[in-house]
Amino acid sequence: KNQVEQSPQSLIILEGKNCTLQCNYTVSPFSNLRWYKQDTGRGPVSLTIMTFSENTKSNGRYTATLDADTKQSSLHITASQLSDSASYICVVSADSGYALNFGKGTSLLVTP
Amino acid sequence: DVKVTQSSRYLVKRTGEKVFLECVQDMDHENMFWYRQDPGLGLRLIYFSYDVKMKEKGDIPEGYSVSREKKERFSLILESASTNQTSMYLCASSLGAETTYEQYFGPGTRLTVT
Repeated sequence: KNQVEQSPQSLIILEGKNCTLQCNYTVSPFSNLRWYKQDTGRGPVSLTIMTFSENTKSNGRYTATLDADTKQSSLHITASQLSDSASYICVVSADSGYALNFGKGTSLLVTP
Repeated sequence: DVKVTQSSRYLVKRTGEKVFLECVQDMDHENMFWYRQDPGLGLRLIYFSYDVKMKEKGDIPEGYSVSREKKERFSLILESASTNQTSMYLCASSLGAETTYEQYFGPGTRLTVT
């Protein structure tokens, strides 16, 4: 069964600090992995997408890494801002069909 | 910019009512999706459509139906709303069916069934 597990479930950090969110998956055969950011009361917005051959992708202060051998990904946020407070969702796709496998998300709170 | 709009941000309905949730996208996307999002469960696919008048069941289609009469509009219908359908409903659209195409999400409709 295709599964996507995210950790931690929630995280509180001080503004300006860095943090790393984790995503482990069992989706096979692997096609691509996205990280989405979902602000409270809004729909998710894509931050990065990585395919099998990519092991890192940056979008401003967000850097995603992928280890396809261990089936792990991380999202690193540098110099956090209050606006980074959101839920971050890892989404993994298999190499066939249309289905997206969603993680349950990590809820991040950045405090002043 | 892709824009996906949903007809209501908040909706309160009674058990047994027929409920229509509307979604409109303005980027001529072929594919449209309906998800529900519940705490601790993440997003789950209800239905998707890859063309006008075409639809496919997702993971949890029971109790729902959909309609796509025009390319830009995808409707989710709860034939007889029940309390276990209280949830956040998210619509999305994408240019292509392959998962490498990004899905663009609407703001969501928070539905409460009493």
